[in-house]
Amino acid sequence: RKEVEQDPGPFNVPEGATVAFNCTYSNSASQSFFWYRQDCRKEPKLLMSVYSSGNEDGRFTAQLNRASQYISLLIRDSKLSDSATYLCVVNSGGGFKTIFGAGTRLFVKA
Amino acid sequence: DTGVSQNPRHKITKRGQNVTFRCDPISEHNRLYWYRQTLGQGPEFLTYFQNEAQLEKSRLLSDRFSAERPKGSFSTLEIQRTEQGDSAMYLCASSFFGEDYEQYFGPGTRLTVT
Repeated sequence: RKEVEQDPGPFNVPEGATVAFNCTYSNSASQSFFWYRQDCRKEPKLLMSVYSSGNEDGRFTAQLNRASQYISLLIRDSKLSDSATYLCVVNSGGGFKTIFGAGTRLFVKA
Repeated sequence: DTGVSQNPRHKITKRGQNVTFRCDPISEHNRLYWYRQTLGQGPEFLTYFQNEAQLEKSRLLSDRFSAERPKGSFSTLEIQRTEQGDSAMYLCASSFFGEDYEQYFGPGTRLTVT
């Protein structure tokens, strides 16, 4: 079993749709959690950190369920520019042990 | 530009040659990470420095791979006797100390071994 698993995708959605990505992690000692976005042939860029209380940034909402070892990302009102790969990231070991999921590809179409 | 920089951006080499990549982190960051990414996969952790000390190495990092961070500033990643399986994007990231501090990535070095 992989340490961090994401929906395999790809997701194909029309503009304006709401889309949700799921991620599970196996290490119960994991301490911090992030979502990154990666455009084709570019480096990953931080989208948002994920807190136990959940957090929202505009159209993006992230949730963490430590009991179920589950992280989610919700994108509302999808834009063409949201098309990218979304990477779930889990840190443990004092922050240096960083595990990335394989990513979920999103295509938003007009 | 105060972001993470990497050089070269692209490297094509023949099997068996040695290659060296450089990463310049964000100047205030004391943690530096190297990752490898292949098509369709997320970045895989290779190694990590806190200041000049290399504190962790992945099992992925064979004896042909070595990394340094002299004086706790820039870092180099060397691959000796390259193999075709080494073809990948090599990404560098930096952060402040602490698990809650986000990592910021450089643009990567794309290595092709022919």
